[in-house]
Amino acid sequence: QVQLQESGPGLVKPSETLSLTCTVSGGSISSYYWSWIRQPPGKGLEWIGFIYYSGSTDYNPSLKSRVTMSVDTSKNQFSLKLSSATAADTAIYYCARSGRDGYDPSDYWGQGTLVTVSS
Amino acid sequence: DIVMTQSPDSLAVSLGERATINCRSSPSILYSSNFKSYLAWYQQKPGQPPKLLIYWASTRESGVPDRFSGSGSGTDFTLTISSLQAEDVAVYYCQQYYSTPYTFGQGTKLEIQ
Repeated sequence: QVQLQESGPGLVKPSETLSLTCTVSGGSISSYYWSWIRQPPGKGLEWIGFIYYSGSTDYNPSLKSRVTMSVDTSKNQFSLKLSSATAADTAIYYCARSGRDGYDPSDYWGQGTLVTVSS
Repeated sequence: DIVMTQSPDSLAVSLGERATINCRSSPSILYSSNFKSYLAWYQQKPGQPPKLLIYWASTRESGVPDRFSGSGSGTDFTLTISSLQAEDVAVYYCQQYYSTPYTFGQGTKLEIQ
């Protein structure tokens, strides 16, 4: 059974970089796309982007200038960095598996981690 | 970006009754070469991540009860719960994965009447 677990600071200061890591267990990170999705408290879901195990990426244009994703296949992990954070970036951040060809729904999700942007 | 619009925003249904949630995409998310609509439905309970219920508009994910069904093609889709159970209280989201950025509907909150 594939499991995903997000980790990283729960509090980020405005203008700083939000950094999260997702650790995949119970399966290999290889041959899949891996997504980041966020949800402001009490609101809907926003797709941030995904990364293929080989390192290719596709980001939401609304966040593209501030987003960087990376993957470490040796550790079965992938990561998200969101620069110049503001209060609008306060959300629950989920990592998820998104299939083998980039045109699939997300079938496995982490439990999510709340990141608050505040001084 | 493809816009996904759900209706209604909230819904109250009696136990054992049918619940129907609609989702519309603009533009179409039907890929003509394989006749598949790139539409998924998720269920999200409080404090939990979304759970995949339906993909390709009508294919039930493994382990999902058969009271959940999806229908539709192109731009108009429906999630139906044939006989509402107490554990089905949740927010339901549709998502298109036809083109990036993948987009979600705003969600439909389903409650017991």
